[in-house]
Amino acid sequence: QPVLTQPPSVSGAPGQSVTISCTGTTSNIGAGYDVHWYQQLPGTAPKLLISGTSNRPSGVPDRFSGSKSGTSVYLAISGLQAEDEGDYYCQSYDTSLTGSDYVFGAGTKVTVL
Amino acid sequence: QVQLQESGPGLVKPSETLSLNCSVSGNSISDYIWNWIRQPPGKGLEWIGFVHHSGSTNYNPSLKGRVTISADRSNNHFSLRLTSVTAADAAVYFCARKVQRREPFDSWGPGHLVTVSS
Repeated sequence: QPVLTQPPSVSGAPGQSVTISCTGTTSNIGAGYDVHWYQQLPGTAPKLLISGTSNRPSGVPDRFSGSKSGTSVYLAISGLQAEDEGDYYCQSYDTSLTGSDYVFGAGTKVTVL
Repeated sequence: QVQLQESGPGLVKPSETLSLNCSVSGNSISDYIWNWIRQPPGKGLEWIGFVHHSGSTNYNPSLKGRVTISADRSNNHFSLRLTSVTAADAAVYFCARKVQRREPFDSWGPGHLVTVSS
């Protein structure tokens, strides 16, 4: 069972906005550890989309943005485009003594209607 | 710009050992932190472990002592060894780089599909 909780899917029409949530616990997001987001397009490797909760690496369009509130973080995609269709994963560092140091959410499938 | 490329057998028999290599170009593996991550078909991502540029390693406890990650500085690659595989180990295996421990996985290989079957 993934440590970070994401909705299985979100959808929107081209041009609309969608938001994906990622909820953690006091051993990861709640402890203040950064969350990173990855985009995985069909048949490809994950690609870093957002680092440190809200920072976009060079080349990532400003349609993608990240934010945080309490033990949840959010990835927003504005001006949805067909090429945004794929899976999105959040990831954080975790200090649970019995678990993995690096944890992922189960992923959210973004569908462009 | 760093590039990573996984290689190894695509088919492993149950109870045998899975061995994969990750060739790194554009960076020395004497810098940074080098990771293995896997993704079972149709499922999410699972961190397997890393080898730090210092030579230290860290593994996911869920793999219960079956995993070894090592670095070959002379050939600038690092390797994954997973023993006693079962069908649950069938996955796409990715190698990935971290700049520092709490930084993201910022560069990934394309992935290598491993099937477990007799």
